[in-house]
Amino acid sequence: EVQLVESGGGLVQPGGSLRLSCAASGFTFSDHYMDWVRQAPGKGLEWVGRTRNKANSYATEYAASVRGRFTISRDDSENSLYLQMNSLKTEDTAVYYCGRVRLGTVGGRVVDYWGQGTLVTVSS
Amino acid sequence: DIQMTQSPSSLSASVGDGVTITCRASQSISSSLNWYQQKPGKAPKLLISAASSLQSGVPSRFSGSGSGTDFTLTISSLQPEDFATYYCQQSYNTPQTFGQGTKVEIK
Repeated sequence: EVQLVESGGGLVQPGGSLRLSCAASGFTFSDHYMDWVRQAPGKGLEWVGRTRNKANSYATEYAASVRGRFTISRDDSENSLYLQMNSLKTEDTAVYYCGRVRLGTVGGRVVDYWGQGTLVTVSS
Repeated sequence: DIQMTQSPSSLSASVGDGVTITCRASQSISSSLNWYQQKPGKAPKLLISAASSLQSGVPSRFSGSGSGTDFTLTISSLQPEDFATYYCQQSYNTPQTFGQGTKVEIK
């Protein structure tokens, strides 16, 4: 069974940093691209970024709203995905979800499984 | 970035009703369109990918169609468990943008 479990959320002041983790199980983590998506309270979904797999040089991509402040990394030996968030702003307050991008490219890169999310609150 | 526009933003319907939600992309995205269902406090769930491919385990009352810029999600006969918010998302390129969501409520 595919499982994704996020952790590391909490309350942080504006300008602060936080590191989220996503523990994966039930599939061959190293084969998959992985995404982060967030959802501000009462709002819609926003794609945050992606890390590719080793075969694609672990290349990363980011939404413009977080580029230069957030860094996605992964540890395939630990089946873990990370989101380092620096220079946090109040508008970064959201539930952060990690998602598995399924193998194959029919219809593009599609997230087929999501974690339960972890809440990040940026406030003074 | 590709803009995704869903309509309506919300709708009220009764159990057994048929419902259609539309999603329009600001440029052609071929068939790279996905539909997710989200219930309060829960993660999104993938229903349909590649515009019309039903995910394993998703009831056949859900269907998707379209290509290019215009897409639809149809629920043929609403069931109590279908009351939720539905999002379209383009997977044509990054950033993979979502529609603003359609909340399906009980009439």
